[in-house]
Amino acid sequence: RKEVEQDPGPFNVPEGATVAFNCTYSNSASQSFFWYRQDCRKEPKLLMSVYSSGNEDGRFTAQLNRASQYISLLIRDSKLSDSATYLCRTDSWGKFQFGAGTQVVVTP
Amino acid sequence: NAGVTQTPKFQVLKTGQSMTLQCAQDMNHEYMSWYRQDPGMGLRLIHYSVGAGITDQGEVPNGYNVSRSTTEDFPLRLLSAAPSQTSVYFCASRDFATNEKLFFGSGTQLSVL
Repeated sequence: RKEVEQDPGPFNVPEGATVAFNCTYSNSASQSFFWYRQDCRKEPKLLMSVYSSGNEDGRFTAQLNRASQYISLLIRDSKLSDSATYLCRTDSWGKFQFGAGTQVVVTP
Repeated sequence: NAGVTQTPKFQVLKTGQSMTLQCAQDMNHEYMSWYRQDPGMGLRLIHYSVGAGITDQGEVPNGYNVSRSTTEDFPLRLLSAAPSQTSVYFCASRDFATNEKLFFGSGTQLSVL
């Protein structure tokens, strides 16, 4: 079993709609959590960190559920430019684990 | 500020050939690492280094060598390329003081025929 798992998608989302997806992790010692955005096999770029209390950055909201060991990302008012693959990353004492990514396709 | 510079962007090798992927960063980061990315597998750590002269194996080190003679450079060597090494490779660095952010190079798409 992979340490970090994501639904590969694709999630097809009409422009303006809301989409949410999760990332589950198996290592209960994971301390830090992040969401990255990756376009067309380019390098991943940090989208946001995920804090215990949940956090928001514009149209993006990240949540952490330690009890069930998953993090989530919600995108509101989806834009065409949000089409990308979203990777999650966990950090356990300096050991980074990435998920395989969730593809989001925003359609006009 | 160039950040993390990775070369080449594309490379085609024949089985058994050797090559070096170059990675350089100008941010004085202690930590540097190499990942490979394959469909459905996510980013997997090949080798990493926590400072000049120090390297260690990651999740998938077989078939790859690294060295860290300077803080700036962290080359990845394929001694005898195999088709299983066809992948996209990313170099990444981070500053231990600002632990969160990994800075990635732009990637190398490698095909081994």
